[in-house]
Amino acid sequence: AQSVTQLDSHVSVSEGTPVLLRCNYSSSYSPSLFWYVQHPNKGLQLLLKYTSAATLVKGINGFEAEFKKSETSFHLTKPSAHMSDAAEYFCVVSQTYNNNDMRFGAGTRLTVKP
Amino acid sequence: DVKVTQSSRYLVKRTGEKVFLECVQDMDHENMFWYRQDPGLGLRLIYFSYDVKMKEKGDIPEGYSVSREKKERFSLILESASTNQTSMYLCASSLRGLTYEQYFGPGTRLTVT
Repeated sequence: AQSVTQLDSHVSVSEGTPVLLRCNYSSSYSPSLFWYVQHPNKGLQLLLKYTSAATLVKGINGFEAEFKKSETSFHLTKPSAHMSDAAEYFCVVSQTYNNNDMRFGAGTRLTVKP
Repeated sequence: DVKVTQSSRYLVKRTGEKVFLECVQDMDHENMFWYRQDPGLGLRLIYFSYDVKMKEKGDIPEGYSVSREKKERFSLILESASTNQTSMYLCASSLRGLTYEQYFGPGTRLTVT
């Protein structure tokens, strides 16, 4: 069975400082991994995805994530936080062809202080 | 751009009422999903459909049913709403395949009183 653990339920950073949101996964097979962002009262939007190509994945809005198989991690980073980055972030793992067994982490709420 | 729309943003229903949540996608995706989102629990899959009239139960199907009569439309039905079904409901769609992401609608916040 596959699962995802987001190691922090809440992260607070100052504007202009780096962001690190941590995600560990467990999967029996080669998974696909995703990061989604959810702004208040909105649906989820894809930030980036890993699908067994390059291990360093670049996404929208300056975010990137690195797939580390040895550490079973897929942490999300951004060099410099912006106020508009304040949102909830979800790490997701998928290992089935039909995509019907995507496992979502519990989410990390990112707060950005001025 | 893929667009997934949901019929209501906010809904208030009474206990015991039958509730219909509608979802429409405009990108000819094979897969459609209904999730429930609760604080601290992430998203949990209620039902999944991979084709017209085809459905599979997710993690928490009890108290829910679904209908997919047309490829673009996927309905979630609460046969007899209960207070523990108060939640945010998210619809999503995707192409079939491991590498394809899901596209989400804006969500319906349902309150059952």
